[in-house]
Amino acid sequence: DAGITQSPRYKITETGRQVTLMCHQTWSHSYMFWYRQDLGHGLRLIYYSAAADITDKGEVPDGYVVSRSKTENFPLTLESATRSQTSVYFCASSNTLEQYFGPGTRLTVT
Amino acid sequence: ILNVEQSPQSLHVQEGDSTNFTCSFPSSNFYALHWYRWETAKSPEALFVMTLNGDEKKKGRISATLNTKEGYSYLYIKGSQPEDSATYLCAFEGGGSNYKLTFGKGTLLTVNP
Repeated sequence: DAGITQSPRYKITETGRQVTLMCHQTWSHSYMFWYRQDLGHGLRLIYYSAAADITDKGEVPDGYVVSRSKTENFPLTLESATRSQTSVYFCASSNTLEQYFGPGTRLTVT
Repeated sequence: ILNVEQSPQSLHVQEGDSTNFTCSFPSSNFYALHWYRWETAKSPEALFVMTLNGDEKKKGRISATLNTKEGYSYLYIKGSQPEDSATYLCAFEGGGSNYKLTFGKGTLLTVNP
């Protein structure tokens, strides 16, 4: 089906572990984004990508790594998870007019 | 860090009431202002993208206005229905920002039947 998907939808991990959140879109949008949603902060941009192999930091990039080897995929990796990274993570892609959001991944770091 | 403010933070209205809320954003380097509707347990969905000063957009009972010179946008809902209950987000897009959006914290609307 066309659209933007995220996996897993729910993840519990331990402090210090590496975890990767996946994002896949079928529209061939050039631009993709990762946000985190926290109470009191709304949606904050972690990283974004303008095209394959082009990525840049957003507002809150520390502790995260991204890659974009293919246009349709934009994985987000927490290299060593911390409790402060417990959040809901949203991926989005853009046709340069609107951003389309995935369903979100709820990550809990214990 | 850009400052995008939304007010009120939350709002309770009765079914049939009309309501409005505000988004304020930087008046410099403006490119576009986005409104999103975000239902609980779902992902944000685009309502409007507004680019021109004085722009007015309408979708059913929901409309929005834009004042880029003073840096504010209003979202109006006419005759609120329980299914309008959601968080309404605005997002500022600056010129040359690579389509990055800076979101406000949202206005949570609850419509009581």
